[in-house]
Amino acid sequence: GAGVSQSPSNKVTEKGKDVELRCDPISGHTALYWYRQRLGQGLEFLIYFQGNSAPDKSGLPSDRFSAERTGESVSTLTIQRTQQEDSAVYLCASSLPGGVTYEQYFGPGTRLTVT
Amino acid sequence: AQRVTQPEKLLSVFKGAPVELKCNYSYSGSPELFWYVQYSRQRLQLLLRHISRESIKGFTADLNKGETSFHLKKPFAQEEDSAMYYCALRMNSGGSNYKLTFGKGTLLTVNP
Repeated sequence: GAGVSQSPSNKVTEKGKDVELRCDPISGHTALYWYRQRLGQGLEFLIYFQGNSAPDKSGLPSDRFSAERTGESVSTLTIQRTQQEDSAVYLCASSLPGGVTYEQYFGPGTRLTVT
Repeated sequence: AQRVTQPEKLLSVFKGAPVELKCNYSYSGSPELFWYVQYSRQRLQLLLRHISRESIKGFTADLNKGETSFHLKKPFAQEEDSAMYYCALRMNSGGSNYKLTFGKGTLLTVNP
């Protein structure tokens, strides 16, 4: 079946502009995760959704970052007033209910470049 | 806080040689450890997890709680093993037992 998809695959934006990144999880996966990967770094947890609720937003780096999920499906990660340090690959993953040892399936990522 | 360390950014071996990718972790509780792999132009995917005790594509990894390590090993490397490998930890206790903490990754190159 279809895996996790993300759009756009690449995004170049000017400093100060807002961007929206989209994630379509695997159908039936109630848990959804956003990670960020800066150049040369490991993946950094941003936020976790169980259904449409986000019980853990602890990884969001600042209040310029927000995320929502609707219909227990699509999620969008919004970055307002982008800064150059926001440049990274943003990865989305989904799994069966979080908190148990279900595998997280990753999307291909969105490469964000802030100029 | 939990931490995963992969001391080697780059590792280069010849085809047929043994390979070991190192992973050390720090976590006061009982962790679950994973290895993820990303082949060129492909997405990140799970390679193996310590609770499965499986050998996947000839790779094995043993959790050593005394040394807090989870090194990935393969006795005879193949060219198709060339990829980026990430070690990851999931906490088994506490309220954050869904998120993964990743190391920075090791780029393995297997030369012909």
